[in-house]
Amino acid sequence: DQQVKQNSPSLSVQEGRISILNCDYTNSMFDYFLWYKKYPAEGPTFLISISSIKDKNEDGRFTVFLNKSAKHLSLHIVPSQPGDSAVYFCAASGRDDKIIFGKGTRLHILP
Amino acid sequence: DGGITQSPKYLFRKEGQNVTLSCEQNLNHDAMYWYRQDPGQGLRLIYYSQIVNDFQKGDIAEGYSVSREKKESFPLTVTSAQKNPTAFYLCASSQSLDPEVGQYFGPGTRLLVL
Repeated sequence: DQQVKQNSPSLSVQEGRISILNCDYTNSMFDYFLWYKKYPAEGPTFLISISSIKDKNEDGRFTVFLNKSAKHLSLHIVPSQPGDSAVYFCAASGRDDKIIFGKGTRLHILP
Repeated sequence: DGGITQSPKYLFRKEGQNVTLSCEQNLNHDAMYWYRQDPGQGLRLIYYSQIVNDFQKGDIAEGYSVSREKKESFPLTVTSAQKNPTAFYLCASSQSLDPEVGQYFGPGTRLLVL
């Protein structure tokens, strides 16, 4: 059973617009959430994280929002740039510190 | 520059053969991890190690073995017992198991079965 779900396998966004990547989770014991970015044939790169005691964390063009009651988080990228085209993985961690990854969403930034 | 190196980039395995994937880090990180990625799948944890000479099974450890004799090195052996080894293998490290610090990933090794 998938504990971390990214229901959109791909997303296309015009350059300069906002990209919104969504993630849902089922385990209410998760207390830390992370986003990773991955280019083809490379390892993922850590982007941004959020603790369950917060509902928003911002780092430059990247903002992560957490809605605990809905067990939902989202990553906002604004403005979107061509270099943002990649696969984005949502991940979550609970008390055992093991990180569970979603299947990823492929983001295409259109010129 | 500090980072994680994985070698080789591509590895071919014959039936019944054991192969070992290398992972080295010079970030002075205590924790190291091995993940497997299959097409359309998230990263799945194979093994992880918090300190030298100690490691724990992840979610899909069957058919794999690891060692952690040095802080910098965490090699993964794919044994002949692993019936579906074709995948992209990623090694990662972090300062601790605390997820707040995030994990640093290597470039990956793609394993193919002949």
